[in-house]
Amino acid sequence: LAKTTQPISMDSYEGQEVNITCSHNNIATNDYITWYQQFPSQGPRFIIQGYKTKVTNEVASLFIPADRKSSTLSLPRVSLSDTAVYYCPFYNFNKFYFGSGTKLNVKP
Amino acid sequence: KAGVTQTPRYLIKTRGQQVTLSCSPISGHRSVSWYQQTPGQGLQFLFEYFSETQRNKGNFPGRFSGRQFSNSRSEMNVSTLELGDSALYLCASSPRDTYYEQYFGPGTRLTVT
Repeated sequence: LAKTTQPISMDSYEGQEVNITCSHNNIATNDYITWYQQFPSQGPRFIIQGYKTKVTNEVASLFIPADRKSSTLSLPRVSLSDTAVYYCPFYNFNKFYFGSGTKLNVKP
Repeated sequence: KAGVTQTPRYLIKTRGQQVTLSCSPISGHRSVSWYQQTPGQGLQFLFEYFSETQRNKGNFPGRFSGRQFSNSRSEMNVSTLELGDSALYLCASSPRDTYYEQYFGPGTRLTVT
């Protein structure tokens, strides 16, 4: 089954910029790329979506190369509260396949 | 707008029983999806409803079923509960024209003993 691939975990320190990369080898031509954030015992929260190039909102930036085979979620100056699991789900016919996500651990 | 609400938040059931979980989507959202989250399998898609019709179904046994009402509220039912059904069940709603942006509820924590 086609899916996305991302690192299992990452460590960072407060104040640093964090970049999480996801591989989208089988993304469909018309599909958008989305990222979600999940804290323990809560539902995932939509962070950002994009189709190509760069998208920025108040939370994060999303970089998508021209071939759209990957994407990079950039979190500027992370804080302890950014410790969470980040997902780049694969989307196929109204179904999201979330996978295991990337567990980001921000240290003081 | 109020967010997605799920009831109950916590539930303890015995193996062999059945359970019904409820989800109220954000006002105006017509698509409701259900997910199961466990430490071992992660977040897995169960099914999606739109305008009272099931449009998609994940790879789960027939013991898992759902329905959607005319007001877009949804319920999912699990019959003949097994220990492995212990999980966090999440409901998400999305507006008609932005499937990629899903709004999740807090989930129902089901424990099967």
